[in-house]
Amino acid sequence: DAKTTQPNSMESNEEEPVHLPCNHSTISGTDYIHWYRQLPSQGPEYVIHGLTSNVNNRMASLAIAEDRKSSTLILHRATLRDAAVYYCILRDNTNAGKSTFGDGTTLTVKP
Amino acid sequence: DAGVIQSPRHEVTEMGQEVTLRCKPISGHNSLFWYRQTMMRGLELLIYFNNNVPIDDSGMPEDRFSAKMPNASFSTLKIQPSEPRDSAVYFCASSPPRGHYEQYFGPGTRLTVT
Repeated sequence: DAKTTQPNSMESNEEEPVHLPCNHSTISGTDYIHWYRQLPSQGPEYVIHGLTSNVNNRMASLAIAEDRKSSTLILHRATLRDAAVYYCILRDNTNAGKSTFGDGTTLTVKP
Repeated sequence: DAGVIQSPRHEVTEMGQEVTLRCKPISGHNSLFWYRQTMMRGLELLIYFNNNVPIDDSGMPEDRFSAKMPNASFSTLKIQPSEPRDSAVYFCASSPPRGHYEQYFGPGTRLTVT
């Protein structure tokens, strides 16, 4: 599986934007970039995914570098409820979606 | 719509006993995944099914673990016999047929083997 690299932890202030980076230099042409988050004592939650173009949904935005070797998850206004572990993973659409979750980034939001 | 349903939510059992974890995927989803999460190893994919057929079980740790999906709305993960090192949170997730394998996770089953 192609691997991703994320910072172990990040901090943000409430109501400020948060940019969570992810490096995936060995990404292949068929890999989609997926983001999930896991709140304390809950299962992971799907956030967003993309292939080449930037994507927006009600939860977040995903900015993908032109060479696809990195991406950034953007939370436009962090709230205390956004404190979670954020996982960036690559999902190969030709292999029934098999992928590996790394350690993720633990986001702390300060009031 | 109901999300992925897992039962039981908590299970405490003694070493050597059989444990069966259950999962009901989201209606209409055709891929199902079983994961295990521990502090030491993080989130590990154990097995996944596509259209009720096991596709990859390379993550299943030992022969003590087995999984079945008899129909599109039900799957089980069985551990027999259970051992203390099997203690973990087990998640089930499902994916829709016309997407890119975005997964929707259940609340998990916290298993404690004493």
